[in-house]
Amino acid sequence: AQSVTQLDSHVSVSEGTPVLLRCNYSSSYSPSLFWYVQHPNKGLQLLLKYTSAATLVKGINGFEAEFKKSETSFHLTKPSAHMSDAAEYFCVVSSYSSASKIIFGSGTRLSIRP
Amino acid sequence: DTAVSQTPKYLVTQMGNDKSIKCEQNLGHDTMYWYKQDSKKFLKIMFSYNNKELIINETVPNRFSPKSPDKAHLNLHINSLELGDSAVYFCASSQVPGNTEAFFGQGTRLTVV
Repeated sequence: AQSVTQLDSHVSVSEGTPVLLRCNYSSSYSPSLFWYVQHPNKGLQLLLKYTSAATLVKGINGFEAEFKKSETSFHLTKPSAHMSDAAEYFCVVSSYSSASKIIFGSGTRLSIRP
Repeated sequence: DTAVSQTPKYLVTQMGNDKSIKCEQNLGHDTMYWYKQDSKKFLKIMFSYNNKELIINETVPNRFSPKSPDKAHLNLHINSLELGDSAVYFCASSQVPGNTEAFFGQGTRLTVV
């Protein structure tokens, strides 16, 4: 069975300060993990992915995430927030199995204060 | 070229009607999905097809019927629409089931009045 938990439904940071969006996962198989971003009234865009290679993954727009197996976490970070980062962020887990699914977390809304 | 395209983008219809949403992907992927996003932004998988065969069918009312005429298309037909069906429906595709990223369409905002 797989599940993913995003620990914060809403995160608000000031422009230029670091961003941390937290994600914990559970998977019976070796998981692949992803972060997607959804801007208002838009579709879903892949930010970055972990598929059992390097544990520190760099994505687009300056975002990165670190896979920590011991903590079953895959937190998303960015050193300096930009106003354009305001969006909904989804942590996603999937694995190759007979019941393959791509499971979404409940989402974290990121707000950026000027 | 749009990788995963859905039509229509917006759909407003009355209760009791039957409607379809179409999805096409030009990525050569084997697997396609339908997701429903509710008003709280929660995304829940509805169906998944691999090579035109249904592999995931979540607890979805049987008023919802997916159809995959070929590997590149996965359409969603909804009978007897209800108010609670109002949501954004996303189509997606991936190279294989699980373990690879999914590419999403822009979504279809369905409003049942």
